[in-house]
Amino acid sequence: DIQMTQSPSSLSASVGDTVTITCRASQFVDDYLYWYQQRPGEAPNFLINGASTRQSGVPSRFSAAVSGPRFTLTITNLQREDYGTYYCQQSYISPHTFGGGTKVE
Amino acid sequence: QVQLLESGGGVVQTGRSLNLSCVASGFSLSDCALHWVRQAPGKGLEWVAVISWDGAHKYYAKAVEGRFTISRDTSQNTLYLQMNSLRGDDTAVYYCARSEFLERRPFDYWGQGTLVTVSS
Repeated sequence: DIQMTQSPSSLSASVGDTVTITCRASQFVDDYLYWYQQRPGEAPNFLINGASTRQSGVPSRFSAAVSGPRFTLTITNLQREDYGTYYCQQSYISPHTFGGGTKVE
Repeated sequence: QVQLLESGGGVVQTGRSLNLSCVASGFSLSDCALHWVRQAPGKGLEWVAVISWDGAHKYYAKAVEGRFTISRDTSQNTLYLQMNSLRGDDTAVYYCARSEFLERRPFDYWGQGTLVTVSS
């Protein structure tokens, strides 16, 4: 199975900050890497793919990038509603695997 | 408007069975793949199973293979997860989610989840 290693596991940030989360895949996943946001008590919500194509309605302050096996999610000008946990997921091949999550608080 | 609504969760004893349902609206189950994803209390997301748009292909996580069965009823536009031989580590919120294809597509819509608690 492909392992997804996400870092950091948590971070503290203030409104207006820029936040960067990293995800590494143990095998090739091409650009079939997706980022999800989960606010406390809610279901996950698809944000953006590894090629930085945002889901409809997702603000432009969310961006993504890839360099080899290293994927990054960047949130610029952090807003209050952005607090929560972020997960990466590879969908290149089953089983679909998620990173361990990054809690932004 | 696309919506997914899970039900069927509850408290069940170790070794017993439970059947979860996920009613879809705003789209047809025949138009996409459907997944179950679970989240143990305070933990991350774990993919559980997927069924293809035509119901012909089903895949499972190793942790549930042989115990869980994913199925669907297109006439009811409903997805199911039959869970047998339940164990304590199956305790989680179970979400249904859809993707355009079996692989290489994001899970673009999720239900609100249903909690399964396995107790001895």
